[in-house]
Formats: sequence, structure tokens, C-alpha cells
Amino acid sequence: GAGVSQSPRYKVTKRGQDVALRCDPISGHVSLYWYRQALGQGPEFLTYFNYEAQQDKSGLPNDRFSAERPEGSISTLTIQRTEQRDSAMYRCASSLFAPSPRETQYFGPGTRLLVL
Amino acid sequence: QKEVEQDPGPLSVPEGAIVSLNCTYSNSAFQYFMWYRQYSRKGPELLMYTYSSGNKEDGRFTAQVDKSSKYISLFIRDSQPSDSATYLCAMRTNTGNQFYFGTGTSLTVIP
Repeated sequence: GAGVSQSPRYKVTKRGQDVALRCDPISGHVSLYWYRQALGQGPEFLTYFNYEAQQDKSGLPNDRFSAERPEGSISTLTIQRTEQRDSAMYRCASSLFAPSPRETQYFGPGTRLLVL
Repeated sequence: QKEVEQDPGPLSVPEGAIVSLNCTYSNSAFQYFMWYRQYSRKGPELLMYTYSSGNKEDGRFTAQVDKSSKYISLFIRDSQPSDSATYLCAMRTNTGNQFYFGTGTSLTVIP
């Protein structure tokens, strides 16, 4: 595809439900990041994949959050037992090679999650 | 204290003005410094990056890093209405995977 895609674009859920957010990176991109961006804030790092390996998950807020990228392409961020404080824009980004400022991260349009 | 501090603005300037955007940081291990532009309802896109201290110029944009003061700047010359966006600074250490973003400064350039 032309860019990073994410689905769904909007998700409204009730507190306590599980949600799964999908990221489809640019074809061939090795690196994949997940970020959370609250309104009026910059992206906050959640986790990083190099191919299928989750190399850094230090930004995941707690054990209700998990992510996978089983075949090194599409990634899913899962939030279990959602809470209202989980409401935010969740963005993924991909880049061709390993993390480097020279290596442009291409951001997806994001999934806006609202937990009621 | 946040790793990266950035004044959220909003900043409003007339067309043609010089714009100065700034960030401060606390982690002296940061070596890579980036500026992203984010249009409304879009994802951030990389504008410029700088390694360690110094200046870098790209067209109307100039990025400056002062590591001794832990202070970075982005200057936009001859600002255009199309520059209206949120500008985010981001930083990284030499070895880490994480990019640390500022909160973003909202800029409006008035025709």
C-alpha cells in the first residue's frame, strides 16, 4: 500500500471490554513502533518491533497492554479490560531499517479509542 | 519532570515572519534531535534531524542544538500559511530504541 494503515479508525468501547487495534506497515519495513498520543500531547512510546521480535516493550503502561507482530508485518496492539484512562489516539509507525533518526518513521493515521 | 519540554503555544504569526520553536530536555544522553510536523488529523512527518550539537539548514528551515544548555530550536524563515501545523521535537540516545517527543507547538501563519 501507499502508506501505513490502521484499523479501525475509531473505536468506542465500554469499560472492561478488550480491544484489538491493527497496524499494517509499509510493505518491507523492518521496524514497527506503537505510540499513544493524548490530545494536545506528543506521541508516547509504547513498544518496538524489529521484524517479528518485540525488542522493547518498556513503554507499555501495564500488563493489560500487549502487542504482537507474528509474521513481521501486520501488528496488533491489544488492550484488555479497558479503562477510561486508556482513551487516546493510538498510532503506529514503520521504518525501512532499524531505529535511526535518518530512517524516517512513517506514521499511520491512528485509531481513536474512546472508553466509556 | 518530563524528559522533553515544549511550549504548546498556540503561536500565531503573520505571513513572512520568522518563527522560533524550542524544546528543552533533561537527559544528557540524547544525541539525535528531530523535528516533526503534524497537520490536523494526520500523523507526524519528519522535517529535519540533527546529530549532537550544531546547526542544520534545509530551505526555509534551520535546526539548532545547544547540548550545553540542553536546548534545541527550529527556525522557519518567510513563514507561509501552509506551515500552519503542530511542530513536535523528538530525541533519542545513541543506543536506545525509544524516541521521546515533546508535546508539540501549534503554529498558525496568518495570510
